[in-house]
Amino acid sequence: GAVVSQHPSRVICKSGTSVKIECRSLDFQATTMFWYRQFPKQSLMLMATSNEGSKATYEQGVEKDKFLINHASLTLSTLTVTSAHPEDSSFYICSASPVAGGPQETQYFGPGTRLLVL
Amino acid sequence: GESVGLHLPTLSVQEGDNSIINCAYSNSASDYFIWYKQESGKGPQFIIDIRSNMDKRQGQRVTVLLNKTVKHLSLQIAATQPGDSAVYFCAENTGTASKLTFGTGTRLQVTL
Repeated sequence: GAVVSQHPSRVICKSGTSVKIECRSLDFQATTMFWYRQFPKQSLMLMATSNEGSKATYEQGVEKDKFLINHASLTLSTLTVTSAHPEDSSFYICSASPVAGGPQETQYFGPGTRLLVL
Repeated sequence: GESVGLHLPTLSVQEGDNSIINCAYSNSASDYFIWYKQESGKGPQFIIDIRSNMDKRQGQRVTVLLNKTVKHLSLQIAATQPGDSAVYFCAENTGTASKLTFGTGTRLQVTL
């Protein structure tokens, strides 16, 4: 149980285009989903917290107009990187916290999405 | 700001030996700690967690120790195996909307 999927697993796009990444909780409902970014050989940095039916909360320094987050249901959150540039190339990872069961703080992570912007 | 950090960026151990990965945290308000394992190109995998009202918790081949006095967390892996090779992250939660702060990570290399 507690499986989180991401799609796509990797994407290559041209500079200036937008890319959408999906995060799904497959066997549980998630009150909250989180989006992280990880550069090579670095730790995970939280970008934003996404709550179903409400606006996402962005961490300091993360542009909300560039990284659009939609959490339309208890099993799906999407991150859209708008007008992507080479510096946005990174490993994007989502996580989800169950509605019920387990510690409130429990997060289950997706497999990540590798974004390369040319 | 507050941060979670690790003492050793890389740890090399021989197969069969025990591994100890350390983590220092600075937020005294943190009340929940988690260790994650991340293999190359994959998302973090939950290993074990511990709450601040405990100082030790054991799982299968893994033990987490928490020393709140010196704000130190460690992960012990018994009889380390080649499949344990990965980057290990500690993470702390202060109870604020389940947000986790990750440490810098330690790469564990298991030699045969």
